[in-house]
Amino acid sequence: KNEVEQSPQNLTAQEGEFITINCSYSVGISALHWLQQHPGGGIVSLFMLSSGKKKHGRLIATINIQEKHSSLHITASHPRDSAVYICAVRCPGNQFYFGTGTSLTVIP
Amino acid sequence: NAGVMQNPRHLVRRRGQEARLRCSPMKGHSHVYWYRQLPEEGLKFMVYLQKENIIDESGMPKERFSAEFPKEGPSILRIQQVVRGDSAAYFCASSLLAGLVDTQYFGPGTRLTVL
Repeated sequence: KNEVEQSPQNLTAQEGEFITINCSYSVGISALHWLQQHPGGGIVSLFMLSSGKKKHGRLIATINIQEKHSSLHITASHPRDSAVYICAVRCPGNQFYFGTGTSLTVIP
Repeated sequence: NAGVMQNPRHLVRRRGQEARLRCSPMKGHSHVYWYRQLPEEGLKFMVYLQKENIIDESGMPKERFSAEFPKEGPSILRIQQVVRGDSAAYFCASSLLAGLVDTQYFGPGTRLTVL
C-alpha cells in the first residue's frame, strides 16, 4: 500500500465545472504539497499546507490533519487546467512520499 | 529572479557511461532536492542537500548515484555506469528555507535516455 493515495486517477470535466481531487496519506507529516505537472513535464508547486485551507485564484486546498486527508478544488475549470495533479507529503524524518497523480482533462 | 534552472534538458547516454545533471537553484535558495520520475510512474524523492551538506539521501540508490551541492556553483547529480533502468526524468527543486516550512520551486527537469 502506498503512503499517499490519490483519487480519482483520471478525471474528465466540462469547462466551468467544479473539480475536487482527493489525497489520503497514512504517515505522520510535517507538510503536504500539491503539485501540477503539465503535459510537457514541467512541475509547478501549487500549495504547501500544514493545516487549514489555502486559496490562490481559482484553486483551493484544504487539509484535515486528524483524518489524514487533503483536497484540491478547482472552481470554474478551464481547459488550461488540464494537467496531472500530484499530492506529496513530507514527513518529520525528511522522507518524501508522492501520490501517483490525478490526470485532469477539461473539455471546452 | 530566474527560476530553478536545470541542464541539460535532454541527455542521451550509452550503457556504462556517466551522466551529470546540473541544477541551479533560485537566487538565495540554499536547499536543493532531487527527484526521479520513471516512465509511467510517480515522482520519487532521491536526495536533499544544503550548501556543502547532504541532509538526507535515503531515496538515492546506494551504488552509482551521488549528489553534491558545493559552496559555489550548481548542484550536481551524478550517475556512473548508467543502465537502461536509469532512463527517467530527473527534477530538481529548491527552497529558501528548509522544505519543512517553505515552498519548493521545481526546475524543468532533465530527461535522461540510456541507450
